[in-house]
Amino acid sequence: EAGVVQSPRYKIIEKKQPVAFWCNPISGHNTLYWYLQNLGQGPELLIRYENEEAVDDSQLPKDRFSAERLKGVDSTLKIQPAELGDSAVYLCASSALSVSDTQYFGPGTRLTVL
Amino acid sequence: KQEVTQIPAALSVPEGENLVLNCSFTDSAIYNLQWFRQDPGKGLTSLLLIQSSQREQTSGRLNASLDKSSGRSTLYIAASQPGDSATYLCAVSSTGNQFYFGTGTSLTVIP
Repeated sequence: EAGVVQSPRYKIIEKKQPVAFWCNPISGHNTLYWYLQNLGQGPELLIRYENEEAVDDSQLPKDRFSAERLKGVDSTLKIQPAELGDSAVYLCASSALSVSDTQYFGPGTRLTVL
Repeated sequence: KQEVTQIPAALSVPEGENLVLNCSFTDSAIYNLQWFRQDPGKGLTSLLLIQSSQREQTSGRLNASLDKSSGRSTLYIAASQPGDSATYLCAVSSTGNQFYFGTGTSLTVIP
């Protein structure tokens, strides 16, 4: 069974440029999460989807970040414009059910903003 | 807001030793607690999931315990091996469907 797929694995951009990350969860998983992880820190939840509905986006900086999960399968996280402080690893995870279930993580996208 | 703390931040042990990693949380109203492993430059791998009604879970050389009333969980690793070297993170899911991770314990097992 394929795991959570993320692309790209690495991205280097200049500040003020837009950037997008893509995630394909494990087949059949209804819940999808986007996390941000800074160096030496634990992941911080940005947004959680139940199917195509964003049920928790309280930590998403909505002035520059946006996300979508059309058709309730794969998802895209976008930053526009990117700032220096956005440099981090962006992790996607999925679970079969909601908060009571094990989360499976993708390898992440390492973003560097110059 | 839930706060999750992991102590120690780093740990180095000789191969073969048994060890304990600690995780504490401030709000005992949780759904579950999960222990993850993260290798450098990679995503997280789930090790054990303990539901709020459970006291412990075991998988191979790993045993995780949960004491909700005191806001603590421990991950016990028996007979450590160099391949166990990684960062170990705990995460709690709280009422309101919020997820909170600790900052992790970086483990090095010396051959």
